[in-house]
Amino acid sequence: EAQVTQNPRYLITVTGKKLTVTCSQNMNHEYMSWYRQDPGLGLRQIYYSMNVEVTDKGDVPEGYKVSRKEKRNFPLILESPSPNQTSLYFCASSLGGTSTDTQYFGPGTRLTVL
Amino acid sequence: QKEVEQNSGPLSVPEGAIASLNCTYSDRGSQSFFWYRQYSGKSPELIMFIYSNGDKEDGRFTAQLNKASQYVSLLIRDSQPSDSATYLCAANAGGTSYGKLTFGQGTILTVHP
Repeated sequence: EAQVTQNPRYLITVTGKKLTVTCSQNMNHEYMSWYRQDPGLGLRQIYYSMNVEVTDKGDVPEGYKVSRKEKRNFPLILESPSPNQTSLYFCASSLGGTSTDTQYFGPGTRLTVL
Repeated sequence: QKEVEQNSGPLSVPEGAIASLNCTYSDRGSQSFFWYRQYSGKSPELIMFIYSNGDKEDGRFTAQLNKASQYVSLLIRDSQPSDSATYLCAANAGGTSYGKLTFGQGTILTVHP
C-alpha cells in the first residue's frame, strides 16, 4: 500500500531533551516536506527536500533540523525542544514537487513539550 | 508574506444542500490550488486541485478558479453529514518554489441532518 508513515504518533517529552520524528514513504517520491499545524494558524511548512541531500527552509524552520540521506526517509530533529514546539506535525511527500503534484500526508505526530 | 485566506467558519448547511467554501490568495504568481479535507485528528486528504481558470468537477465537488480576482472556491453538492470536516485551501507558487504549498487556516463545515 502506498503510504507515508510517521513515528511516533504521540510523544510527550520535556524541554531540552533531543528527539527525532521519523518519516518514510514507499512511493519513490522525490519531494518531502514537514508541516506543523496549530489552532488558528493552519499548516505551516517547516522544511522541505527536493531530493537526496537537498533540503531547504520553509516558513518556520527555527528550532528544527532535517536530513535526507535516503530518498524514502526524511526525519525531523528537535535538538532542544521547547514548549512552543508543542504541535501536531505532518510529513508529506509528492512525486516531483511540480506545481500540480499532489502532496500525500502522513498520519501525524502529536508532540507535547513540557 | 504570501497568504491564503479562508473564512474559518463554522459553515453550517443542511443535508442535501450545496456548501460553498471560499479562498483568496495574495501571490499572483500562484499556479495551482488544492483543496484538502481534514477530519478532526486526522491528516489532510486531497479532494481535488485546479490550475486553469474556470470550473473543474469531480463527482459532487466543483472547484472554481478566478485568477484575475485571486479567488478559489469549492462547491459541495448534495452535502452529507460525512462531509463535516475542516476544508483546507492551499496554493502552490510553482517556478523555483515548486512543491511549496501555502495553506489557509481552513473552514470548518458542519452538515446537519
